[in-house]
Amino acid sequence: QVQLVQSGAEVKKPGASVKVSCRTSGYTFTNYGITWVRQAPGQGLEWMGWISPYNGNTNYAQRLQGRVTMNTDTSTNTAYMELRSLRSDDTAVYYCSRGGDSLAYWGQGTLVTVSS
Amino acid sequence: DIQMTQSPSSLSTSVGDRVTITCQASQDISNYLNWYQQKAGKAPKLLIYAASNLETGVPSRFSGSGSGTDFTFTISSLQPEDIATYYCQQYDTFPDNFGQGTQLEIK
Repeated sequence: QVQLVQSGAEVKKPGASVKVSCRTSGYTFTNYGITWVRQAPGQGLEWMGWISPYNGNTNYAQRLQGRVTMNTDTSTNTAYMELRSLRSDDTAVYYCSRGGDSLAYWGQGTLVTVSS
Repeated sequence: DIQMTQSPSSLSTSVGDRVTITCQASQDISNYLNWYQQKAGKAPKLLIYAASNLETGVPSRFSGSGSGTDFTFTISSLQPEDIATYYCQQYDTFPDNFGQGTQLEIK
């Protein structure tokens, strides 16, 4: 069965970086993109970006451009999302999801807390 | 960017009610629209894709319609387990923005 398992919760100070991993199984990794979505406490869903594990192509939300990098490791079927220069408003649950159109499979979410 | 305007933002309903949520895109997105359900503390769950297609395993009381810029999501007879927040999402053009969400509450 398709599974996406994310890394554990993180606490970071403002200005630091965080890297969240998303280990996949149960399907051919390079056949589907990976989308990252975040959700601040009590807020809605925010699309962060998409990466193709097949060729590494990416598309990032403009408001995160310059601070976010998404990549994949096809040898371990794992996707990564790195966010730099963290601010308090980056505190959120970060989700990875399989696909780039209809997101039927999701990771369990990773809480990233940014606090001094 | 394509903006998705979802309404209402919250809805007080009763078990058995018919529930309707609308989503309007800022430009034509054909039928490239999904609907998700999110329960507290959980990842979103895909219910409807391509505006009107029911995801496998999703009860038939959920349905979607529309194309172009105007879309509707309906629960024909609300069940207690349907209490959640619902989001639309367009996937016509990056960024694949979500609507603001509609939170259902029991009267």
